[in-house]
Amino acid sequence: AQKITQTQPGMFVQEKEAVTLDCTYDTSDPSYGLFWYKQPSSGEMIFLIYQGSYDQQNATEGRYSLNFQKARKSANLVISASQLGDSAMYFCAMREVQADKLIFGTGTRLQVFP
Amino acid sequence: EADIYQTPRYLVIGTGKKITLECSQTMGHDKMYWYQQDPGMELHLIHYSYGVNSTEKGDLSSESTVSRIRTEHFPLTLESARPSHTSQYLCASSEGHRLKAYFGPGTRLTVL
Repeated sequence: AQKITQTQPGMFVQEKEAVTLDCTYDTSDPSYGLFWYKQPSSGEMIFLIYQGSYDQQNATEGRYSLNFQKARKSANLVISASQLGDSAMYFCAMREVQADKLIFGTGTRLQVFP
Repeated sequence: EADIYQTPRYLVIGTGKKITLECSQTMGHDKMYWYQQDPGMELHLIHYSYGVNSTEKGDLSSESTVSRIRTEHFPLTLESARPSHTSQYLCASSEGHRLKAYFGPGTRLTVL
């Protein structure tokens, strides 16, 4: 069964520093996609970045990059040059091709301080 | 960016009432999802659909039901609301497994 694990309930980072949010996953499907979403206090879900299981290179989107280690089944999100507006909940998610369900981890609350 | 809508945004209702949460998308996406989320907690998949006339139960057991009569519309119904149904309900849609899911703004439901 597919499973997403985020072991950091909360993280603190100083403005302009980089931070890594951890995500590990479990699946028996060789074909899957990994996603990161940001949820500010307003409650909306904002897509950040995507990594496919067959993608050779790590995904990057502006200040966001995904450190994909397939053998370890990890897909950590790296945020460079943190900003105060980055304070939010961050969710890792996975979709298997076969099951085609999009499931989420428990989330990490990131707080950026000046 | 996302053309996916949910109504109402907020709903306060008494126990025992029947309610329908609306979700519509104008992107022609086949796949649609309903998630239940308590404040600051994880998203639980409660229903999903691959297309018209297709509905599946998610990983979290829910007393709600859904229908998919039209591609763009995926309503969720609670026949008899209870305080335990108090939560936020998020609707999402996507096209293809490689592509991101678009989320609606959510409905915050409070059952008194």
